[in-house]
Amino acid sequence: ETGVTQTPRHLVMGMTNKKSLKCEQHLGHNAMYWYKQSAKKPLELMFVYNFKEQTENNSVPSRFSPECPNSSHLFLHLHTLQPEDSALYLCASSQADRGAQPQHFGDGTRLSIL
Amino acid sequence: AQSVAQPEDQVKVAEGNPLTVKCTYSVSGNPYLFWYVQYPNRGLQFLLKYITGDNLVKGSYGFEAEFNKSQTSFHLKKPSALVSDSALYFCAVREGSGAAGNKLTFGGGTRVLVKP
Repeated sequence: ETGVTQTPRHLVMGMTNKKSLKCEQHLGHNAMYWYKQSAKKPLELMFVYNFKEQTENNSVPSRFSPECPNSSHLFLHLHTLQPEDSALYLCASSQADRGAQPQHFGDGTRLSIL
Repeated sequence: AQSVAQPEDQVKVAEGNPLTVKCTYSVSGNPYLFWYVQYPNRGLQFLLKYITGDNLVKGSYGFEAEFNKSQTSFHLKKPSALVSDSALYFCAVREGSGAAGNKLTFGGGTRVLVKP
């Protein structure tokens, strides 16, 4: 499925670097999400944007900063990360105002913190 | 608060045998229930959902799931498993409606291994 595209697919960075993850959806959806998937933890919801407005911040550290400039694009800005932040970061989108529509996921960015 | 439990970390079955992946949920209102599958190095793919109506829901790749309100369960099933069904499976629940109610809670995942 190519409806949700994430770049880069892999990212290695030092703890003092600043980088950004990008997500783009081509499905006409109005809600977008960031999830963190670690090896031995359940899928963790980080942020939710509905109609470009942030409606959920699930106690995420400030070193993660989301940005949603329009309903098709979502960014996750990273700075001063810690080794425990190494994980797969998944973006998803959905149509939030049409009943229980499923979320559509990208293939993720595998992030490794040195 | 809503929650989901997948009691088995791993399920192993032989190819051609029935496959069942268990899921139980807790939600204060009416549940919306979902199953997703994740193949290696890929994101989650939607398999099926239960909103209301018939308790047996049919989805992609020959999978189906049975909603049981009294047991608060939503087990995923496939009558005859294929080696290509080997993957990580996630159950998810949400409650509420409208833009504020689209938050999904996922179970911990069950790894399915289908042996040839």
